[in-house]
Amino acid sequence: NAGVTQTPKFQVLKTGQSMTLQCAQDMNHEYMSWYRQDPGMGLRLIHYSVGAGITDQGEVPNGYNVSRSTTEDFPLRLLSAAPSQTSVYFCASSYGPPKGSGANVLTFGAGSRLTVL
Amino acid sequence: KQEVTQIPAALSVPEGENLVLNCSFTDSAIYNLQWFRQDPGKGLTSLLLIQSSQREQTSGRLNASLDKSSGRSTLYIAASQPGDSATYLCAVREGNKLVFGAGTILRVKS
Repeated sequence: NAGVTQTPKFQVLKTGQSMTLQCAQDMNHEYMSWYRQDPGMGLRLIHYSVGAGITDQGEVPNGYNVSRSTTEDFPLRLLSAAPSQTSVYFCASSYGPPKGSGANVLTFGAGSRLTVL
Repeated sequence: KQEVTQIPAALSVPEGENLVLNCSFTDSAIYNLQWFRQDPGKGLTSLLLIQSSQREQTSGRLNASLDKSSGRSTLYIAASQPGDSATYLCAVREGNKLVFGAGTILRVKS
């Protein structure tokens, strides 16, 4: 049981480049989400999904796209990277929306550190 | 819009001290509040969950309280140890998402 796996762990991009951060979970979780963490600002929700084929915007969705073609995978795409997207990105999943109890406690990946020059 | 604030931003204490971390939120109509721990370079681990109808939860040396009417929660750590050094974050549930505070960086010196 690998839990939530994020790749890559580190990435450096130039302004304007595009890339995809991968997130995969093997726990049959319906709910998956992407957060970014910046110093002094905590975690902010980018996009989330309550099941395959369903996605919704979080607090800071601009500049990012997501898709959920399978239950296991929830990739985050940066369309045209900007220095403001330099951050640490976390993927998290749970069986249902994060109610915090039992199976709905969020499981986090180890993070992907992105630098945009 | 729900906003979550954590005070202090950083805290350094000697081993063995009891300590309190604070979390406040602007909208008292919350479903629940959670405390997480984050170690450097790692993801978050859930520590305690308090439902909106509860006043406190305990797990080992950790005790979390919730006062919805004043929009506050505290995390009490008893007899702190160097292994408690980490960033502690609180989060409140808003619909299908969690709203996080910026965290308190705790350092326990041996």
